[in-house]
Amino acid sequence: EAGVVQSPRYKIIEKKQPVAFWCNPISGHNTLYWYRQNLGQGPELLIRYENEEAVDDSQLPKDRFSAERLKGVDSTLKIQPAELGDSAVYLCASSSRGQPSGGYTFGSGTRLTVV
Amino acid sequence: GDSVTQMEGPVTLSEEAFLTINCTYTATGYPSLFWYVQYPGEGLQLLLKATKADDKGSNKGFEATYRKETTSFHLEKGSVQVSDSAVYFCALGGAQKLVFGQGTRLTINP
Repeated sequence: EAGVVQSPRYKIIEKKQPVAFWCNPISGHNTLYWYRQNLGQGPELLIRYENEEAVDDSQLPKDRFSAERLKGVDSTLKIQPAELGDSAVYLCASSSRGQPSGGYTFGSGTRLTVV
Repeated sequence: GDSVTQMEGPVTLSEEAFLTINCTYTATGYPSLFWYVQYPGEGLQLLLKATKADDKGSNKGFEATYRKETTSFHLEKGSVQVSDSAVYFCALGGAQKLVFGQGTRLTINP
């Protein structure tokens, strides 16, 4: 079984430029999460999807961040415009209804560097 | 809100040493508790979990027991190997959200 696939692995952009990250969850997993991991810190939740609906986006900075999950499968996270403080690793994770106690499967992440 | 506090690193041990990484938490209700591991250049992997008080999670020689009375979930291993070198994260929560500690970097020397 393929794991959670993220691309790109690395991205370097200048500040004020847009950037997008893509995630393909495990087949059949209805719940998809985007987390941000700052250097030396643990991941923090940005947004959670149940199928195609964003059910928790309370931690997503909506002035510059947006996300979508078309057809309840793949998801894209976008930042426009990027700021220096957005440099971090962006992690995607997925889980199924059979995992109510948690324990997600994470992707390898996209490391964003804003210069 | 919910929070997790982990033992500060980095931690450096010799091969075959005994490992303990402390984790305490603050939470409303009774969340599940987790240890995740992040090997160099890789994503987070679930190492073990416990879903209720007094449960013991175990995997790959690692163990942790959900202690409600001390709000702790300390990670232990009796004899570490060089391949255990990684960053370890304690987390709490469930299907809606995970709250992570800051991580503890572990280095095992031969």
